[in-house]
Amino acid sequence: NAGVTQTPKFQVLKTGQSMTLQCAQDMNHNSMYWYRQDPGMGLRLIYYSASEGTTDKGEVPNGYNVSRLNKREFSLRLESAAPSQTSVYFCASLREVTTVYEQYFGPGTRLTVT
Amino acid sequence: AQSVAQPEDQVNVAEGNPLTVKCTYSVSGNPYLFWYVQYPNRGLQFLLKYITGDNLVKGSYGFEAEFNKSQTSFHLKKPSALVSDSALYFCAVRDMLNSGAGSYQLTFGKGTKLSVIP
Repeated sequence: NAGVTQTPKFQVLKTGQSMTLQCAQDMNHNSMYWYRQDPGMGLRLIYYSASEGTTDKGEVPNGYNVSRLNKREFSLRLESAAPSQTSVYFCASLREVTTVYEQYFGPGTRLTVT
Repeated sequence: AQSVAQPEDQVNVAEGNPLTVKCTYSVSGNPYLFWYVQYPNRGLQFLLKYITGDNLVKGSYGFEAEFNKSQTSFHLKKPSALVSDSALYFCAVRDMLNSGAGSYQLTFGKGTKLSVIP
């Protein structure tokens, strides 16, 4: 199993440009998440998808959109990038079986907006 | 909403000494608590969890955590620190999402940077 994969690993954008961050998991998990990590802020939830075909806003959704393309893939789109979106972005999926409850994280995408 | 707090931004410990990384929680109901570790330029990795049962939970890499209901704490511990334990550690609590029953997220603390000095 590859687990949770993310592409790209690094990206530099100019203000106003758009891009899509890709995420895929091969563990047949229902729930998937997008977080951003900023120094001193921990991880903050941007959007999540509890199951295929559903998405919902997290703590910091402004400036982002998501698509749950199928059970495996959950993409994050920045329509018009802003310097405040410079961050490290993590995708995660959730294994939830009775009392087993573990989130698996991808390696992250380091995004810089100039 | 549930929350966790990590009161220390940084913890320094000498190699071979015991280490403790602190976490306190605020929840309604029974807490589901977690510790994750993040090595430089990597994603978060699961270390251990408390859902129910023994208050002392054992996890990966020799780490353990003690659940203390009266003090609302879930401190991470290791008897003898290694230089390779140097990383960022996150405490987290399961929290329900707005979309309704069965939808959860993990709410993370701000993280504690552990430095183990040779």
